[in-house]
Amino acid sequence: DAGITQSPRHKVTETGTPVTLRCHQTENHRYMYWYRQDPGHGLRLIHYSYGVKDTDKGEVSDGYSVSRSKTEDFLLTLESATSSQTSVYFCAISSSGHDGNQPQHFGDGTRLSIL
Amino acid sequence: GDSVTQMEGPVTLSEEAFLTINCTYTATGYPSLFWYVQYPGEGLQLLLKATKADDKGSNKGFEATYRKETTSFHLEKGSVQVSDSAVYFCALSGGNQFYFGTGTSLTVIP
Repeated sequence: DAGITQSPRHKVTETGTPVTLRCHQTENHRYMYWYRQDPGHGLRLIHYSYGVKDTDKGEVSDGYSVSRSKTEDFLLTLESATSSQTSVYFCAISSSGHDGNQPQHFGDGTRLSIL
Repeated sequence: GDSVTQMEGPVTLSEEAFLTINCTYTATGYPSLFWYVQYPGEGLQLLLKATKADDKGSNKGFEATYRKETTSFHLEKGSVQVSDSAVYFCALSGGNQFYFGTGTSLTVIP
């Protein structure tokens, strides 16, 4: 299994509070991704990174920011959490970008509930 | 743009039945195609992949063939087990993004 650790695994917080989710990898892969998974929507890309300090937006980036100061860590921040951001969040890594032929490998997810 | 469409679920089968989950894609270039499986409470796990037309990916008794002429990548297994109960996702890598289908839930009953 790919070495991907997401933390925390579960979190409950209140509307308006900041939240940071962490993804840590031990594979030294260049590309890292944050997705959210919601019933009826499948997986939706929030942000991705193609190198240290190099990030770009996905299809549902509003309300989220990311940072990547080291190859192994990719942080997702909800600046002011809203109930619509209640979801399961997955981190993924890949050795090639999305136009390559290498798969993405996923962490076990963070279940985030915003009350 | 690129996209993936997979059959709606849920699918319920008896143990040892034959499984087909349909997946079709739209792509402007020459994408790579993947099947992932997700067990409850876990992330997606790569099941198999194919990187060019006519390639057959296989793993754990599952197979899928990259058909360029029909733009399809259907997942098949000859004899399902209870332990195959999970959600299956078809995915495409190409263009400027990785695209996932919405998932097909499979339940196998003894």
